[in-house]
Amino acid sequence: KAGVTQTPRYLIKTRGQQVTLSCSPISGHRSVSWYQQTPGQGLQFLFEYFSETQRNKGNFPGRFSGRQFSNSRSEMNVSTLELGDSALYLCASSLDGTPIYEQYFGPGTRLTVT
Amino acid sequence: TQLLEQSPQFLSIQEGENLTVYCNSSSVFSSLQWYRQEPGEGPVLLVTVVTGGEVKKLKRLTFQFGDARKDSSLHITAAQPGDTGLYLCADNTGANSKLTFGKGITLSVRP
Repeated sequence: KAGVTQTPRYLIKTRGQQVTLSCSPISGHRSVSWYQQTPGQGLQFLFEYFSETQRNKGNFPGRFSGRQFSNSRSEMNVSTLELGDSALYLCASSLDGTPIYEQYFGPGTRLTVT
Repeated sequence: TQLLEQSPQFLSIQEGENLTVYCNSSSVFSSLQWYRQEPGEGPVLLVTVVTGGEVKKLKRLTFQFGDARKDSSLHITAAQPGDTGLYLCADNTGANSKLTFGKGITLSVRP
């Protein structure tokens, strides 16, 4: 079974621009979560989508948004990029419906904002 | 807000040595997961522990969950260079797949 895929793997953007990142979950997984990883803050939860609905949201500004499609693929958008948005953005998928939500991560998208 | 503290933050050892690292929570864990992340990759799930006092083994890795479910340890026997990576503990708060992570332990095993 193929793992979680994320595109693109690397991205360089300029402050003020916007960016869209894509995630394809493991086949059959209906839950997709997004995390931001930085050296200072570690891994922080952004939001989670299930059946095209946002179920849970972390403490990030409204510039960070996402959506999920009917095939469970998800996109994350960051508008008006700031230098502090430079990070590794990780997507994780989960089967859901299991007692313990074990998540499987993709390789991430490395975003650099200049 | 739950806080997960991992220690030590950095560890550099020689191949063949044993080591133990720790994860402590400010509140009772719902379910504790350990991940390993290699440079340029996403975290990979190693184990999930749920029951207080639980011990799980994965080859040379032994995971122990505290009786009170507020702490956990990871012991590696005869470390190998392939064990190098960032070790993360995480708690599932039960809120729809949201994971709270510790800052991680960077392990370097020298040949």
